Amino acid sequence: AQSVSQHNHHVILSEAASLELGCNYSYGGTVNLFWYVQYPGQHLQLLLKYFSGDPLVKGIKGFEAEFIKSKFSFNLRKPSVQWSDTAEYFCAVKWTGNQFYFGTGTSLTVIP
Amino acid sequence: EAQVTQNPRYLITVTGKKLTVTCSQNMNHEYMSWYRQDPGLGLRQIYYSMNVEVTDKGDVPEGYKVSRKEKRNFPLILESPSPNQTSLYFCASSPAGLAVSNEQFFGPGTRLTVL
Repeated sequence: AQSVSQHNHHVILSEAASLELGCNYSYGGTVNLFWYVQYPGQHLQLLLKYFSGDPLVKGIKGFEAEFIKSKFSFNLRKPSVQWSDTAEYFCAVKWTGNQFYFGTGTSLTVIP
Repeated sequence: EAQVTQNPRYLITVTGKKLTVTCSQNMNHEYMSWYRQDPGLGLRQIYYSMNVEVTDKGDVPEGYKVSRKEKRNFPLILESPSPNQTSLYFCASSPAGLAVSNEQFFGPGTRLTVL
């Protein structure tokens, strides 16, 4: 069955620390991969997406993610976080069907 | 402005009282979807629609109905709400088809409390 796992549930970092959030999905095949961010009290916004080409994807606000097909992973990274990055982060996968599958989310708190 | 709108944003109701949450998009998207967000469970897809008059179940459809009579609107109907449907609901839309990114655009959310 299709599923998406985010193993980091809560992450607390100091400003300027590096960030890596894990995302794994249940099996291969053709996938579209997404990271969304939800700032407190707001709706989800797209950070970045991958559906073909260069497996290293750059998104908004300095975020990037790497698609590693052999590991069924799409980890999110940022070299230096800011207080304003405090938010909840969701990984999402769409296989060749019409459903989207989201991970359970990672809550990131950045301490000034 | 391209957007997805939902109404109401907040709703408190009682068990068994039918309600409808509206969703509308102005981007001419074929695909629309409803999600519920619960702590520790992330977003789970309730229903989705590939186009007018085409709807399908997601992972958690029990207790919900939808309709897609017009391309821009995709209302979520709770015929007999129960307390376990207390949640934050998001509507989303995206272009369909293999040649597009399938990026979804989300509405602002509707916080529903069923007493």
